[in-house]
Amino acid sequence: DTGVSQDPRHKITKRGQNVTFRCDPISEHNRLYWYRQTLGQGPEFLTYFQNEAQLEKSRLLSDRFSAERPKGSFSTLEIQRTEQGDSAMYLCASSLGGSGTQYFGPGTRLLVL
Amino acid sequence: AQKVTQAQTEISVVEKEDVTLDCVYETRDTTYYLFWYKQPPSGELVFLIRRNSFDEQNEISGRYSWNFQKSTSSFNFTITASQVVDSAVYFCALRPASGGSYIPTFGRGTSLIVHP
Repeated sequence: DTGVSQDPRHKITKRGQNVTFRCDPISEHNRLYWYRQTLGQGPEFLTYFQNEAQLEKSRLLSDRFSAERPKGSFSTLEIQRTEQGDSAMYLCASSLGGSGTQYFGPGTRLLVL
Repeated sequence: AQKVTQAQTEISVVEKEDVTLDCVYETRDTTYYLFWYKQPPSGELVFLIRRNSFDEQNEISGRYSWNFQKSTSSFNFTITASQVVDSAVYFCALRPASGGSYIPTFGRGTSLIVHP
């Protein structure tokens, strides 16, 4: 399967812990996007990369959130000192160039207790 | 600012019925793209269609059809002869066609439940 993959698919953590999610985009896609989706809402943009450069961050991305794409391939999203409000589905998408259609991964469901 | 409105929160139909999901959008961009994605219970958003604002031709793909009307800023999605496997949340999205970031704005989704 050559689609977008995300790991883990589910994560349960206690408030205050740090968590890290991984996204592997479609191999030739140079753009990678992170979204957050809460119940009953559409995906909300968090940040995106073109190759290894992080070009835009939403104001939703607080200082506790950091994302990297060190070699322009896979990306990680880390949440430090998790809060219950961080509970959501975190979706990753990739595209070939900015104008390309974004293809989504299966998401990581985070539950913060 | 961009806005996508999917006024139907949930639609319930019986198998084989036709169903239309509404999408109304607002944008100041002269060129833009519109999308529909399907999100089954597994969570992954599945791309269904992309439409350029220059192309108002309606499209049909099997049981799916899309009606784009620029005059009313609508991009509606019809499923003909619905099946239980069509049960999912469907999202309409809008994205600029230029400007660099190409960040889409999603609607809140319409949950479609197809009963056998």
